Amino acid sequence: NAGVTQTPKFRVLKTGQSMTLLCAQDMNHEYMYWYRQDPGMGLRLIHYSVGEGTTAKGEVPDGYNVSRLKKQNFLLGLESAAPSQTSVYFCASRPTPGGGGIIGGYTFGSGTRLTVV
Amino acid sequence: AQSVSQHNHHVILSEAASLELGCNYSYGGTVNLFWYVQYPGQHLQLLLKYFSGDPLVKGIKGFEAEFIKSKFSFNLRKPSVQWSDTAEYFCAVNRPGGGNKLTFGTGTQLKVEL
Repeated sequence: NAGVTQTPKFRVLKTGQSMTLLCAQDMNHEYMYWYRQDPGMGLRLIHYSVGEGTTAKGEVPDGYNVSRLKKQNFLLGLESAAPSQTSVYFCASRPTPGGGGIIGGYTFGSGTRLTVV
Repeated sequence: AQSVSQHNHHVILSEAASLELGCNYSYGGTVNLFWYVQYPGQHLQLLLKYFSGDPLVKGIKGFEAEFIKSKFSFNLRKPSVQWSDTAEYFCAVNRPGGGNKLTFGTGTQLKVEL
């Protein structure tokens, strides 16, 4: 099925470990986003990308890095995990405005639940 | 910076009661407005969106929202809620351009009791 796929779905890390979350979309969307969701805080934007090879910082970028080497993939990296990074991470994508698809259509992945102990 | 405020953090209603969830945003220019729903353990689903035109927007599952530009508001309504509407509801705003980033409110937890 077309959509946004996130892997893994669950992960437990020890403080200081590193990991990469993968977001893959098969809708040929230009824009991709990484959000984190924490109780009582809604979703906050970590990083985003407006096309292959581009990345930009969002609202809460510290402690994270991203890469968009291929248009369909957007990777979120934690170099040295901290307990404050315990959260649910959502990836989203959308087409370029005017580039077709559902107008304003952001498609979200099903999330990655990360616990850092 | 653009911000989105949802005034009701927790709402408890009985089935068949009417629902209105408030959403206000701070940006004064052109905005696109969204309401998303997140059922327990699931990802976000789009309920409805406003880009332009009729300020009263109808979405899925009987939800609607009204854009009032003068009040910077986009409140969500449903005339008669069902137990299955128990979920968390997020208002979101994006400003065209600049990556079209979505800014979310903090969410409202709705519990519908039988």
